[in-house]
Amino acid sequence: QSALTQPASVSGSPGQSITISCTGTSSDVGRYNYVSWYQQHPGKAPKLIIYDVSDRPSGVSSRFSGSKSGNTASLTISGLQAEDEAVYYCSSYTTTSTRVFGGGTTLTVL
Amino acid sequence: QEQLVESGGGVVQPGRSLRLSCAASGFSFSDFAMHWVRQAPGKGLEWVAVISYDASRKYYAESVKGRFTISRDNSKNTLYLQMNSLRPEDTAVYHCVREEYNNVYFDCWGQGTLVTVSS
Repeated sequence: QSALTQPASVSGSPGQSITISCTGTSSDVGRYNYVSWYQQHPGKAPKLIIYDVSDRPSGVSSRFSGSKSGNTASLTISGLQAEDEAVYYCSSYTTTSTRVFGGGTTLTVL
Repeated sequence: QEQLVESGGGVVQPGRSLRLSCAASGFSFSDFAMHWVRQAPGKGLEWVAVISYDASRKYYAESVKGRFTISRDNSKNTLYLQMNSLRPEDTAVYHCVREEYNNVYFDCWGQGTLVTVSS
């Protein structure tokens, strides 16, 4: 099972919006609406921010949103804030009942 | 509060074995599927294995299949990962992770335990 493909890095200025893509295959992202996104700050455990493609857990800012088209899922962060600077990972369920992560995207807030 | 605490990490020589444990508290452990997810130093997350709530189903990443075994003891609220034939590339922080009930995402993570495979 190959890792999902994410850009290594993205950046944006405070107040702007950015989008992180997550490309898989018809055996994972394209097959199920079970894409989730995680935010990881240095030295911390990952935190769930989006599940089932576009749902937000309670307590997560509405500035975070998710979507999917075909084999590619996307995470959009609007109104960028300094605290959003972190590494973001996507994850998907697969046809073999395993899970797969993306390689991670480092978000820099300029 | 809901908590997962890993233990058992350390330095081990290539080819040797190690068993990790994860103590769960603050929730009904026996109701949840549990995973191990690892992160090599400075690298991304890699999913390792999952075990169903009743241990009837287990699945592994290809990179560890045949070498690692996931298990659980619901009477002790504890998850395990038996790691055999360790390789340098298994060096990572190993996180114990809960999967939301009847869902497919990770909603509770432990801080992890570091495993270093080196001669």
